[in-house]
Amino acid sequence: EIVLTQSPATLSLSPGERATLSCRASQSVSSFLAWYQQKPGQAPRLLIYDASNRATGIPARFSGSGSGTDFTLTISSLEPEDFAVYYCQQRSNWPTITFGQGTRLEIK
Amino acid sequence: EVHLVQSGAEVKKPGESLKISCKDSGYNFTSKWIAWVRQTPGKGLEWMGTIYLGDSDTRYSPSFQGQVTISADESVTTAFLHWNNLKASDSGMYYCARLVRSRLDPWGQGTLVTVSS
Repeated sequence: EIVLTQSPATLSLSPGERATLSCRASQSVSSFLAWYQQKPGQAPRLLIYDASNRATGIPARFSGSGSGTDFTLTISSLEPEDFAVYYCQQRSNWPTITFGQGTRLEIK
Repeated sequence: EVHLVQSGAEVKKPGESLKISCKDSGYNFTSKWIAWVRQTPGKGLEWMGTIYLGDSDTRYSPSFQGQVTISADESVTTAFLHWNNLKASDSGMYYCARLVRSRLDPWGQGTLVTVSS
């Protein structure tokens, strides 16, 4: 089973700053990696799929990069509504999937 | 707008059975695969299993194999998650989501399950 490890567990930043979140896979997942944002009381929302493609309606300040085992989600300039928990997810052997443990992005 | 609509919150006692549902209004548009995901405070998001609405082909996470049953009724474009013998540890928020290639989108609104004596 492929394990996804996200870092840091918690990231404390101020609005306007740049956020860089990491997701590392225990073995290659090619580009089959997605990122989700979850706010309290809400279902997760797809942000990025196939490592670097923004989902419909996602602002351009969100970007994803990486392939193989190392992936990054970058938020170029934090807005107040961006403070949430972020999860990465991979699909290795169709249709099985796994999630990272999440990164909490909090206001400093 | 296509979306997944889940059944409402449930409160059950240990040992009882339960079946929750997820209706896909966007069926056949992009994918017929529906995944179930559990969320508990201590463990984040956990994939439980995935079912193909067309023929009910189902894959389970090893952690949930034998603990739950995933089923589907294509005629009503609905997937189900079923427990025969609930435990307190089954309490949590359960989400369904459509699996499209490598991503989950959209997600249902979630069904909160509480198991308590």
